[in-house]
Amino acid sequence: AQKVTQAQTEISVVEKEDVTLDCVYETRDTTYYLFWYKQPPSGELVFLIRRNSFDEQNEISGRYSWNFQKSTSSFNFTITASQVVDSAVYFCALSENAGGTSYGKLTFGQGTILTVHP
Amino acid sequence: GAGVSQSPSNKVTEKGKDVELRCDPISGHTALYWYRQSLGQGLEFLIYFQGNSAPDKSGLPSDRFSAERTGGSVSTLTIQRTQQEDSAVYLCASSSRIVGTGELFFGEGSRLTVL
Repeated sequence: AQKVTQAQTEISVVEKEDVTLDCVYETRDTTYYLFWYKQPPSGELVFLIRRNSFDEQNEISGRYSWNFQKSTSSFNFTITASQVVDSAVYFCALSENAGGTSYGKLTFGQGTILTVHP
Repeated sequence: GAGVSQSPSNKVTEKGKDVELRCDPISGHTALYWYRQSLGQGLEFLIYFQGNSAPDKSGLPSDRFSAERTGGSVSTLTIQRTQQEDSAVYLCASSSRIVGTGELFFGEGSRLTVL
């Protein structure tokens, strides 16, 4: 069975601090996909990134970066120079492989509530 | 609109009543998903539709839950004889496995409260 663990329930930082959100996953599949989603107060889940299990390159997108380490089954997310607008719930998720593309039957972690104070 | 549209945004009902929640996916997206988000259980997969294939119903919690997708577009999630534990936000998502990387695009959800 698949499982995603986000050990940090809540994180509180002051604006401009860097913050890392941890994600650890379990799966028996050799090919799988990992995701991060952001859920702002409006409630709509916003896609941030997808990674497949064969691509362990770290990725940076503006102030966001992701560190995928297959050896430790972790897919951590770092926000550099955090801003108040980053306040949201962040979810890590895992999906099976389906013929070379991700399958949307996601297993989500419990989410991390990030609060960035001005 | 360009995004996934869900209605109603809020629904309050009495225990034992039936409810219907509607989802209008992004035009052209062949895959449609229903998820449920509750305080105790987090985000849970409910059901998945892909084109004309039989839906994957493996996440439906009981036979009081059903969903259909008409004409490969709009979907309705029906909960019969609602119970208080059905109170949650029901999220719909759609995706395309032809265009893009297959990520899910979510609607804002329908918040169901069962009194």
